[in-house]
Amino acid sequence: EVKLEESGGGLVQPGGSMKLSCVASGFTFSNYWMNWVRQSPEKGLEWVAEIRLKSNNYATHYAESVKGRFTISRDDSKSSVYLQMNNLRAEDTGIYYCTRRGGYSWFAYWGQGTLVTVSA
Amino acid sequence: DIVLTQSPATLSVTPGDSVSLSCRASQSISNNLHWYQQKSHESPRLLIKYASQSISGIPSRFSGSGSGTDFTLSINSVETEDFGMYFCQQSNSWPHTFGGGTKLEIK
Repeated sequence: EVKLEESGGGLVQPGGSMKLSCVASGFTFSNYWMNWVRQSPEKGLEWVAEIRLKSNNYATHYAESVKGRFTISRDDSKSSVYLQMNNLRAEDTGIYYCTRRGGYSWFAYWGQGTLVTVSA
Repeated sequence: DIVLTQSPATLSVTPGDSVSLSCRASQSISNNLHWYQQKSHESPRLLIKYASQSISGIPSRFSGSGSGTDFTLSINSVETEDFGMYFCQQSNSWPHTFGGGTKLEIK
């Protein structure tokens, strides 16, 4: 059974930093592109970042809204993916889901999500 | 960015009804369109990939159609477990974007 378990969310002040983690199980982690997708009442579902495979030199892609502030990384030995978020803004508030791609196009599996609240 | 517009925003139905949910893209996306269901306090779940391809474990009453800019998710004989939010997502162009969702509620 595929499982994705996020951790690291919470309350942070504007301008602050936070690191999210996601541990995967039930599949060969190193073979799949991994993503973070967030959801808020204001913006709905929004793709945030993607990291590809070792064979792709761990290429990364980011939404324009987070480029330069967020960094996605992975540790295949720990079946884990991370999202380092710096210079956080109120509009970054939302539930952050760790997701696994299927066929490079759709989001086949989702974690339960972790809530990030950016507020003074 | 490609904008996906879902309609209606809310659909009130009685169990046993058959329904169609619409997703319209701001430009042609071929068949690179996927559907998700999200129940209250749960994560989204993939229902349909590439506009019409079924997903293992998803009931056969769910089906998808369309290509280009107009897509439809159909539910044949809605069951009580089907109530919730439905989202479409495109993978034709970066960034991959989602629609705003349709809420399927009990009448």
